[in-house]
Amino acid sequence: AQKVTQAQTEISVVEKEDVTLDCVYETRDTTYYLFWYKQPPSGELVFLIRRNSFDEQNEISGRYSWNFQKSTSSFNFTITASQVVDSAVYFCALRDYSGGYQKVTFGTGTKLQVIP
Amino acid sequence: EAQVTQNPRYLITVTGKKLTVTCSQNMNHEYMSWYRQDPGLGLRQIYYSMNVEVTDKGDVPEGYKVSRKEKRNFPLILESPSPNQTSLYFCASSFSARDSEDWYGYTFGSGTRLTVV
Repeated sequence: AQKVTQAQTEISVVEKEDVTLDCVYETRDTTYYLFWYKQPPSGELVFLIRRNSFDEQNEISGRYSWNFQKSTSSFNFTITASQVVDSAVYFCALRDYSGGYQKVTFGTGTKLQVIP
Repeated sequence: EAQVTQNPRYLITVTGKKLTVTCSQNMNHEYMSWYRQDPGLGLRQIYYSMNVEVTDKGDVPEGYKVSRKEKRNFPLILESPSPNQTSLYFCASSFSARDSEDWYGYTFGSGTRLTVV
């Protein structure tokens, strides 16, 4: 069965520090997608990134970067020079083909607090 | 604007009083799903629908019903709400249940915060 583990429940950092959010996944499928979503205090879910299982290139988007390593089944998310606006709950998610149809499984989320 | 619309945003109700949370999408998506979000548990899938008249249980379907009579609408029904159904609910839609290469993730509604007293 698929599973997504975000072991860090809450993280607090001081503004401008770098922070890495960990995500470990389990799946039996060879084709799957990984995602990160941000949930700010306002509550909506904001899509950040998608990565498919065949693309292990790391990605950088501004202050955000993602490290995908199939060997360790991890898809970690780093925020460089954190800002107060980064304070949110971040969810990692896995999409695979459990039972022949797509299923999206979310981790339990990591709450990030950036202190000014 | 492409969006998923949920109503209401906030709802306080009493135990046992039937309620419906509506969800509508304007993107002609085939696949729709309901999730509930609880502290420490992340988002858990309640029900999903792969197309009109095709629905199935997710991970936590007990106490909920859904219907998919039209492609754009996927209401969540609580026939007899109980306090353990107090939660934040999200409706989501996507292109296809079986598409593999071009799936860019869910579009989520804004959420419905339900309190059952």
